[in-house]
Amino acid sequence: NAGVTQTPKFRILKIGQSMTLQCTQDMNHNYMYWYRQDPGMGLKLIYYSVGAGITDKGEVPNGYNVSRSTTEDFPLRLELAAPSQTSVYFCASSYTTQQPRIFGPGTRLTVT
Amino acid sequence: DQQVKQNSPSLSVQEGRISILNCDYTNSMFDYFLWYKKYPAEGPTFLISISSIKDKNEDGRFTVFLNKSAKHLSLHIVPSQPGDSAVYFCAASRNFGNEKLTFGTGTRLTIIP
Repeated sequence: NAGVTQTPKFRILKIGQSMTLQCTQDMNHNYMYWYRQDPGMGLKLIYYSVGAGITDKGEVPNGYNVSRSTTEDFPLRLELAAPSQTSVYFCASSYTTQQPRIFGPGTRLTVT
Repeated sequence: DQQVKQNSPSLSVQEGRISILNCDYTNSMFDYFLWYKKYPAEGPTFLISISSIKDKNEDGRFTVFLNKSAKHLSLHIVPSQPGDSAVYFCAASRNFGNEKLTFGTGTRLTIIP
């Protein structure tokens, strides 16, 4: 039981590049989330999913896309990376409701 | 518009003493509150929660108090241990936790041996 795993741990992107942050959970949780944390700030919700095939926007969805084709995987896609997307990204999951209970270790992304 | 505020960025407490972390909120529709703990280079960990129908919830060394009239909650850790050194986030939700969380900016707690 690995919990929530995220890859990569670190990434440096150039402005305008694209990438996908991977997130997988093995707990059969219905809810999955993507948060970003900027220095000195709380976590902001980017996107969430209540089950396979269902996704919805959070507070800060601009510049990102998600998909949820399986219960286990919830990748986050960055198109045309911008310096404002420099942040630490956390994926999380929970069995029910909007309360993320298990977080992944995070991906530190720098866009230069 | 910061609806959930943790006004103390940092706090230092002697080992064995009580640590009190505070959180204020402005949205009177919030009715479910959570605390998370975060170590460096790790994801947050859920710690404890409280619904607005209660004013106190305990789990071992951790107790959360909710004062609805003051829109204030606090997390008490007794006794504090070195492993409690971390950043603590409070978060709030509407509809008894069925809506998205709003997080505070965190308080860094340092336990002094």
